[in-house]
Amino acid sequence: NAGVMQNPRHLVRRRGQEARLRCSPMKGHSHVYWYRQLPEEGLKFMVYLQKENIIDESGMPKERFSAEFPKEGPSILRIQQVVRGDSAAYFCASSPVGGTEAFFGQGTRLTVV
Amino acid sequence: GENVEQHPSTLSVQEGDSAVIKCTYSDSASNYFPWYKQELGKRPQLIIDIRSNVGEKKDQRIAVTLNKTAKHFSLHITETQPEDSAVYFCAASSNNAGNMLTFGGGTRLMVKP
Repeated sequence: NAGVMQNPRHLVRRRGQEARLRCSPMKGHSHVYWYRQLPEEGLKFMVYLQKENIIDESGMPKERFSAEFPKEGPSILRIQQVVRGDSAAYFCASSPVGGTEAFFGQGTRLTVV
Repeated sequence: GENVEQHPSTLSVQEGDSAVIKCTYSDSASNYFPWYKQELGKRPQLIIDIRSNVGEKKDQRIAVTLNKTAKHFSLHITETQPEDSAVYFCAASSNNAGNMLTFGGGTRLMVKP
């Protein structure tokens, strides 16, 4: 049973470009959470999704950020028109239905130059 | 929403000594309290968790205590080893809030050989 898979591991984008981060949850897990970690800081909740539904996006900036978890395929976190302040590690976590334990992927380290 | 405070932000101990990290939370509805260990450049890894129906849980050299009345929970590591050096995060979540984790700011633990 593979763990939570995120790709790419590292992503460099110029200011104004788009960044797409992918997350495949653990097998059997249908809940996906995205967190952002700025350098030397803790993890901040961004968005919680189930298949084809956004359950809670209270931690996600209203502009430029969007997330989806389609019926087929990975969850995608999309950042449009990236700015230097978007540079961070973005972690995805998954948990099973009715479960509380969250298991994290290796993260995507986004660098905006 | 939930607010989790974590202390100390850095902790240096001698190998073999004990380390204690403390967290407080604000939302009385929180009922799940995991602890994560994060090594440099790696994913947060769940090391122990406790639910609100118990006051203490132990796993080898690691123990967690919970005081629901005071909204405190603590991580205790005994007989510390250099490989325990990492950043430790506490977190809190509730079923009512979709199990999203609110993290503390982290504690950088350094175990000196």
